[in-house]
Amino acid sequence: NAGVMQNPRHLVRRRGQEARLRCSPMKGHSHVYWYRQLPEEGLKFMVYLQKENIIDESGMPKERFSAEFPKEGPSILRIQQVVRGDSAAYFCASSPAGLAYEQYFGPGTRLTVT
Amino acid sequence: DQQVKQNSPSLSVQEGRISILNCDYTNSMFDYFLWYKKYPAEGPTFLISISSIKDKNEDGRFTVFLNKSAKHLSLHIVPSQPGDSAVYFCAPYGGATNKLIFGTGTLLAVQP
Repeated sequence: NAGVMQNPRHLVRRRGQEARLRCSPMKGHSHVYWYRQLPEEGLKFMVYLQKENIIDESGMPKERFSAEFPKEGPSILRIQQVVRGDSAAYFCASSPAGLAYEQYFGPGTRLTVT
Repeated sequence: DQQVKQNSPSLSVQEGRISILNCDYTNSMFDYFLWYKKYPAEGPTFLISISSIKDKNEDGRFTVFLNKSAKHLSLHIVPSQPGDSAVYFCAPYGGATNKLIFGTGTLLAVQP
């Protein structure tokens, strides 16, 4: 019974490059959430997706950030033209339909922008 | 936007004693309150939750208490074990949103 999978676990990008973070939810879960943890801070909500739909993106920066959860395959968080301030741990969580508060987290992707 | 506060950044407890972690919130519309435990370089692990219609929920060594009038919840761990050493986050959910709102966390150190 695999949990939430995220890859890569560590990602290093130079300023201006693109970062792609992947998340495969737990089996049977149809809801995906992305959170970001900046150094010395708690986790902050970014976006909530269901298959092929963005439900709530109120925590996403307006520019350079996008997320998708296609019908087939993992959810992708994409950061274009990364800057040093994007360095953080990005966590994905999933939940079953109808139980959105029961969120189970993946191990995270640590993004370092040099 | 400080909806959730964990005012103790760290707590040190002797093995076998009780650990009490506190959390205050401002939004009276939250539906559920969750506690997560997090080790370094890992994702948060769900520990225990409580519905807003209850005032206590117990699961083994972990008990969560909710005081809605004071907008305060606490997590009790008894007896504390060295393996409990981690960062603990409270995370309310709901209030017409779809997200967990995380506190800043409390680092618990259980001394053998």
